[in-house]
Amino acid sequence: DAGVIQSPRHEVTEMGQEVTLRCKPISGHDYLFWYRQTMMRGLELLIYFNNNVPIDDSGMPEDRFSAKMPNASFSTLKIQPSEPRDSAVYFCASRGDPSLLFFGSGTQLSVL
Amino acid sequence: SQQGEEDPQALSIQEGENATMNCSYKTSINNLQWYRQNSGRGLVHLILIRSNEREKHSGRLRVTLDTSKKSSSLLITASRAADTASYFCATETDSWGKLQFGAGTQVVVTP
Repeated sequence: DAGVIQSPRHEVTEMGQEVTLRCKPISGHDYLFWYRQTMMRGLELLIYFNNNVPIDDSGMPEDRFSAKMPNASFSTLKIQPSEPRDSAVYFCASRGDPSLLFFGSGTQLSVL
Repeated sequence: SQQGEEDPQALSIQEGENATMNCSYKTSINNLQWYRQNSGRGLVHLILIRSNEREKHSGRLRVTLDTSKKSSSLLITASRAADTASYFCATETDSWGKLQFGAGTQVVVTP
């Protein structure tokens, strides 16, 4: 298995633009998590899904953020409109059984 | 807010020495996990310890858990330069598998 695949690896955009981050979890894993990592806040849990259903989105900072999981092999995290304070590394992680998370390589987002 | 807090924030040691870092958390847990993150990479899971376990070993890693004190420790024995990384504890606090991470301990091992 190739592991959790995230794209793009790097994204540079201008304030106000829409940003879409993508994630392909490990096949057979029934949980998918989106985290954001910054120096100031560390690793923040944004949202997680179980069997494609959002379970807890209380970590999503604002209505500008939305996440979907249309099927077991794909999830997106969208920011619209983007702001400079959204600059961070966004990680997707999937989990099967046992309870260990497998992380993707992350998307480094820079909003200018 | 973060569930776990690691201590120390940073640790610098020489190869061959042991490295110990601690994690304290606030609420009851199902399990506690330790992860490593190399610079510019995603996190990699190291070890999981369940709430009814007190100690676990994996290679050069030893993890302890004290649920009465809501704390855990990670010991890396005979450290190597390749152990240079940030180490995070994470707690699973509900039946849905919600996993929250602490701020991490940055470990530097010099040859």
